[in-house]
Amino acid sequence: QKEVEQDPGPLSVPEGAIVSLNCTYSNSAFQYFMWYRQYSRKGPELLMYTYSSGNKEDGRFTAQVDKSSKYISLFIRDSQPSDSATYLCAMRGNAGGTSYGKLTFGQGTILTVHP
Amino acid sequence: GAVVSQHPSRVICKSGTSVKIECRSLDFQATTMFWYRQFPKQSLMLMATSNEGSKATYEQGVEKDKFLINHASLTLSTLTVTSAHPEDSSFYICSANPLRHMNTEAFFGQGTRLTVV
Repeated sequence: QKEVEQDPGPLSVPEGAIVSLNCTYSNSAFQYFMWYRQYSRKGPELLMYTYSSGNKEDGRFTAQVDKSSKYISLFIRDSQPSDSATYLCAMRGNAGGTSYGKLTFGQGTILTVHP
Repeated sequence: GAVVSQHPSRVICKSGTSVKIECRSLDFQATTMFWYRQFPKQSLMLMATSNEGSKATYEQGVEKDKFLINHASLTLSTLTVTSAHPEDSSFYICSANPLRHMNTEAFFGQGTRLTVV
């Protein structure tokens, strides 16, 4: 079983739709949760960063973390064709531990927003 | 935001040759940088942790003699793929966390697409 599970999709939605992306994880040591967006043949770009459980909103993006269920989500409102990319969830433990800085990624979900 | 620059962005080399990839933090210092590998339509897999002034730490299954890492300064780490073979063809990406923000997000380079022919 992988430490982080993410449905690879692909996911295709019409412009303006609300997109929901999810990851589950098994390692209870994970405390920092991130969502990255990766365009084809480019490095990942950080979208959202959260610590512990709760919601965080940034423009059209909302990240949710439920540590009790080991489940994280990213919501994209009013999706645009420019949002078409691969979305990767990533997580890690505390800086003081052996897991410092080492991100464990989900497989990535390929999203296409069509006009 | 912090910038991590990776060079080259693309390289094609002949089988048996060595290729060096550079990862630079442009506006911050990083004692630790990370090297990832990504195969097509797959996620990033951590290869090794590059430590400034000391030996790199490799993940299980990664050959340290094949993937040489040097972290010569607080802003530069290099990955050298030695005696490259076609199966080493992949997308290599580095990342770094700013020293002053030990518990914040990692910034990634643009990636290097290596093709071994």
